[in-house]
Amino acid sequence: ELKVEQNPLFLSMQEGKNYTIYCNYSTTSDRLYWYRQDPGKSLESLFVLLSNGAVKQEGRLMASLDTKARLSTLHITAAVHDLSATYFCAVDVEEETSGSRLTFGEGTQLTVNP
Amino acid sequence: DTEVTQTPKHLVMGMTNKKSLKCEQHMGHRAMYWYKQKAKKPPELMFVYSYEKLSINESVPSRFSPECPNSSLLNLHLHALQPEDSALYLCASSQVVRFFQETQYFGPGTRLLVL
Repeated sequence: ELKVEQNPLFLSMQEGKNYTIYCNYSTTSDRLYWYRQDPGKSLESLFVLLSNGAVKQEGRLMASLDTKARLSTLHITAAVHDLSATYFCAVDVEEETSGSRLTFGEGTQLTVNP
Repeated sequence: DTEVTQTPKHLVMGMTNKKSLKCEQHMGHRAMYWYKQKAKKPPELMFVYSYEKLSINESVPSRFSPECPNSSLLNLHLHALQPEDSALYLCASSQVVRFFQETQYFGPGTRLLVL
């Protein structure tokens, strides 16, 4: 059974600081996603990481994937209050003809304080 | 247009009611999904439709009955639900073939309360 573990589960940080969220998964996969969810809202796609060594950046967020270590990171640079949300990583298990089958981590609830 | 729409936004139903949730997308995606999300938890996959055929059922109780009338629509029929079924129900869609560099696109969800 695929397990996806995120840490930390709760993160309170000050504006302007840097931090990294980690996502470990237990089986081979070359496809990993990061999503953001605001309270009471749906999931917004942030990054799609498709291969070993993939790195993507958008604003203050940067995501990377190491398939050999089965590890993805989401790095936050100079946090601002607007980044407060829950961040999920999700691993795609291969289903060639059935669409993707995502298994989500537990989520990291990020609070950025002034 | 990368929008997935869901109706209704909120639904309150009794345990003897029958209701349906609806989901629609016009992105040409041929895979559509239902997820259930409890508060403070990640989404859990319920069903996957691929080319309008049910391809994955994650051992969901029969009181949940999915239907895919055409490539743009996905329904979830609800009957004799239990209070523990109260949750946010999310619909998503994506391309089927894995080499597309696309994610799943999620709708806004239906918040269901079973009394």
